[in-house]
Amino acid sequence: DAGITQSPRHKVTETGTPVTLRCHQTENHRYMYWYRQDPGHGLRLIHYSYGVKDTDKGEVSDGYSVSRSKTEDFLLTLESATSSQTSVYFCAISGASNYGYTFGSGTRLTVV
Amino acid sequence: DQQVKQNSPSLSVQEGRISILNCDYTNSMFDYFLWYKKYPAEGPTFLISISSIKDKNEDGRFTVFLNKSAKHLSLHIVPSQPGDSAVYFCAARPYNQGGKLIFGQGTELSVKP
Repeated sequence: DAGITQSPRHKVTETGTPVTLRCHQTENHRYMYWYRQDPGHGLRLIHYSYGVKDTDKGEVSDGYSVSRSKTEDFLLTLESATSSQTSVYFCAISGASNYGYTFGSGTRLTVV
Repeated sequence: DQQVKQNSPSLSVQEGRISILNCDYTNSMFDYFLWYKKYPAEGPTFLISISSIKDKNEDGRFTVFLNKSAKHLSLHIVPSQPGDSAVYFCAARPYNQGGKLIFGQGTELSVKP
């Protein structure tokens, strides 16, 4: 019954390669977010979107870009992966009328 | 500069007792505070929230308290159950910033039978 799915769930990639993570929602929510989770840092916002083609940076956006060409899809791209980007990445969605998020199950990315 | 802080990385309590998880914040420009619960290999799930104009919100075994003068938030779980063992994140929503949330570092709660 997941209204939000992330793909892939796991990925190992080499330093310097581009990587794209996908978030797909079926809730027609306006807002979508990408967070990364790291020990000692909790969840930190990378980028977010408040509509198709409308995106903005979060607190840890360096090295990441995003795109949202359709309401249902929010893509996170690491242009040239580095070891410091090894992390668990979570996508989240929220509607205009609520303040809570629904999170995806996460993508565990390892950069070697 | 961490605007939302959870200073205890871990907490261990006995089943049936009270669990108290704490969170401090440094910015007064938040309109909502939330708690999320996270199990391993899953995404965080929403637990309970409180508006900045309230000082208490209760939902079953979970109660959140907000002390605005101290810029302090706490989550009480009574009675604690082994299934409550998880990582708990507090989060704060800034006014008029697209609904984004700022999260604390998380506290891992272990409830022992």
